[in-house]
Amino acid sequence: GQQLNQSPQSMFIQEGEDVSMNCTSSSIFNTWLWYKQEPGEGPVLLIALYKAGELTSNGRLTAQFGITRKDSFLNISASIPSDVGIYFCAGNAGNNRKLIWGLGTSLAVNP
Amino acid sequence: ETGVTQTPRHLVMGMTNKKSLKCEQHLGHNAMYWYKQSAKKPLELMFVYNFKEQTENNSVPSRFSPECPNSSHLFLHLHTLQPEDSALYLCASSLDGLAAKYFGPGTRLTVT
Repeated sequence: GQQLNQSPQSMFIQEGEDVSMNCTSSSIFNTWLWYKQEPGEGPVLLIALYKAGELTSNGRLTAQFGITRKDSFLNISASIPSDVGIYFCAGNAGNNRKLIWGLGTSLAVNP
Repeated sequence: ETGVTQTPRHLVMGMTNKKSLKCEQHLGHNAMYWYKQSAKKPLELMFVYNFKEQTENNSVPSRFSPECPNSSHLFLHLHTLQPEDSALYLCASSLDGLAAKYFGPGTRLTVT
């Protein structure tokens, strides 16, 4: 089935560094969602984006809905060890309520 | 605390067993979802219920049978499963049925 291209697949960074990850789609999306999943838990919604160009922050996290409506970006500033986890993007297109999911970006932070 | 609870957290079952997964949401949402999460694959939507009515069945085999007695509870009845059904089964809810917003911790299912 359709899926999003999410990159990078994994990242290993030092505490304090900034992190950037992105998702791209071959089709135009109406909604972009960013989730974080920690081991043994379900995904937790971090940020929801509903309009092209929208820039939304949640603490040290900032996400943007690309102006082409085919991509989205998530940035984490000044990373800390508890940022470790898998970050997923998801979105839906047109009138289709079904979310399309990326494969995730696995983030490891070295204290 | 996400407001969505799932039991059991872990389940091991044989291919001839019958078991059920339970999900409860305490958020006052109207829509509930079952997802399957397997390694190296995107999350797979299985079923969606909106106001207790099933609005989506994503070509799921009949060995998975959902039940939604009210807007707060969702079950997934399992019977004669296959080893490839081993995965993390996630329940989610949302207010409007447009997209799953809040997930439970999941049930890690192993079929032997």
